[in-house]
Amino acid sequence: QKEVEQDPGPLSVPEGAIVSLNCTYSNSAFQYFMWYRQYSRKGPELLMYTYSSGNKEDGRFTAQVDKSSKYISLFIRDSQPSDSATYLCAMSVRAGNQFYFGTGTSLTVIP
Amino acid sequence: ETGVTQSPTHLIKTRGQQVTLRCSSQSGHNTVSWYQQALGQGPQFIFQYYREEENGRGNFPPRFSGLQFPNYSSELNVNALELDDSALYLCASSLGLAEETQYFGPGTRLLVL
Repeated sequence: QKEVEQDPGPLSVPEGAIVSLNCTYSNSAFQYFMWYRQYSRKGPELLMYTYSSGNKEDGRFTAQVDKSSKYISLFIRDSQPSDSATYLCAMSVRAGNQFYFGTGTSLTVIP
Repeated sequence: ETGVTQSPTHLIKTRGQQVTLRCSSQSGHNTVSWYQQALGQGPQFIFQYYREEENGRGNFPPRFSGLQFPNYSSELNVNALELDDSALYLCASSLGLAEETQYFGPGTRLLVL
């Protein structure tokens, strides 16, 4: 079993839709949870960072962590064509140390 | 402030050869991590360097080795290349060990024939 599971999609939504992206994990020691966005042939770009359980909002993006269910989510409101990318969840036991990534979900927002 | 840079951008090698990839960390960052991202997969942790010392290693064989220099730039060396080594190699830098945010470079795409 992989430490981090993520549905690879692809996911296709119309512009303006709410997008929900999810990851599950097996290691209960994970405390730091990140969402990265990766455009084709580019390096990952940090979108959201959360420590332990709870919600965090930044503009159109909301990250949720439920440690009891070992489940994290990223919501994108009012999705835009420029949001079309692969979204990677990542998590670690200690801050700044080895990140464990999901496989990424490919998202396309159709104008 | 410059971001993380990597060189070369693309590289083609044949099986059995050796390769060196380079990374310049973001200004002021003393910690560098290397990841391998195979096509359609998430990045996999190779190892991390903090102030020129290795600080953690993932499940990669010893033919993957690295260096960090006094200016905190870093190299990833891979010996005896195998076809499965074909991937995007990503470097990420951060301000320190306790810094949760890692900033990634654009990567080096390696193709092994």
